[in-house]
Amino acid sequence: AQSVTQPDIHITVSEGASLELRCNYSYGATPYLFWYVQSPGQGLQLLLKYFSGDTLVQGIKGFEAEFKRSQSSFNLRKPSVHWSDAAEYFCAVGVGRNNDMRFGAGTRLTVKP
Amino acid sequence: GAVVSQHPSWVICKSGTSVKIECRSLDFQATTMFWYRQFPKQSLMLMATSNEGSKATYEQGVEKDKFLINHASLTLSTLTVTSAHPEDSSFYICSARETSVKTQYFGPGTRLLVL
Repeated sequence: AQSVTQPDIHITVSEGASLELRCNYSYGATPYLFWYVQSPGQGLQLLLKYFSGDTLVQGIKGFEAEFKRSQSSFNLRKPSVHWSDAAEYFCAVGVGRNNDMRFGAGTRLTVKP
Repeated sequence: GAVVSQHPSWVICKSGTSVKIECRSLDFQATTMFWYRQFPKQSLMLMATSNEGSKATYEQGVEKDKFLINHASLTLSTLTVTSAHPEDSSFYICSARETSVKTQYFGPGTRLLVL
């Protein structure tokens, strides 16, 4: 079945530590891939996206993600987390001719001082 | 960058009344907009796809007579929750697709509380 999986429901990291949020997808072809961040009570903000080309993409706020076709993964990374990064992170894929969006369940990030 | 607004951000209403939520793309035209519902600590659930000048496409299980969608222009879609009941209380988020970059941009959401 087609799906987007974020295996980690909740992750806690210390401020200044590195971060990796996992995302795996299951679709027939390589979909368009996105990472969004949602602060409490807010809408979603686009962090970065991958359509084609260089498999390592840079986004806003110091985030990057790497597309690995062999693993059907699109993991989000940040070398040094700031307290303001605490939020909910959603991986999403765009599929089909109309690029319909399908979201993962989300990963909640807590940042310890 | 692409900006999407929603109005109102908060609404409290009595059971049985109807509530209209507006979604606007401020700096681009969107032939397609989307309406999502989000329950606390859960992901977004797509309710319907709103197409300018035509009928919306509803996801399975979403009542089209309950959630009326109108996409009358390239920058505005509205969601009307008709005869709202407490179980309709939720966080409603819209998005607009900027076709040229194949990307959805999201509004800030509308929190609906039905008493």
